[in-house]
Amino acid sequence: EDQVTQSPEALRLQEGESSSLNCSYTVSGLRGLFWYRQDPGKGPEFLFTLYSAGEEKEKERLKATLTKKESFLHITAPKPEDSATYLCAVQVSGNTPLVFGKGTRLSVIA
Amino acid sequence: DAGVTQSPTHLIKTRGQHVTLRCSPISGHKSVSWYQQVLGQGPQFIFQYYEKEERGRGNFPDRFSARQFPNYSSELNVNALLLGDSALYLCASTADRDYEQYFGPGTRLTVT
Repeated sequence: EDQVTQSPEALRLQEGESSSLNCSYTVSGLRGLFWYRQDPGKGPEFLFTLYSAGEEKEKERLKATLTKKESFLHITAPKPEDSATYLCAVQVSGNTPLVFGKGTRLSVIA
Repeated sequence: DAGVTQSPTHLIKTRGQHVTLRCSPISGHKSVSWYQQVLGQGPQFIFQYYEKEERGRGNFPDRFSARQFPNYSSELNVNALLLGDSALYLCASTADRDYEQYFGPGTRLTVT
């Protein structure tokens, strides 16, 4: 069974304190790994897609990396507006649904 | 460009009732997927439709059904509502089955 595990469940950072969120996965095959940001009561907002080990993508203070077993979302010098739940999802093949982890709830304190 | 839209935003129903949720995909997107998200969990897949045909179904009971219309909008129907059906229902659209899924704002369903 395809599984996605995110850690930590919750993370509290001071403004400017860089850190990383982890997404480990066990799948029969990987077509793509996706990161989303979700604010309370809203739909997930697409951030990145990673397709192969060694790939990296950046957007503002966020950088996502991928290995054969896990992905990291690095947050550099976070600001309070980065506070949200970050979801990781995997897709095994093009016609299969996304399998999500439970998310990491990030709080950035000014 | 307008993103994925969903209606209604919030809904309160009583156990045993029926509910219909609606979704309009991004213009040009032909595939729609439905997910259920309970508090504190990641979204769980319910259905995927592509070109008006069901392409996938998650582990949900037959009380859940969906369809896609010629304009690619979609409806999710849930019969005989249970308390456990209370959740945020998310619709996502993709340009094709192989592309990134973009989510709508969701419909918050509360069953009392």
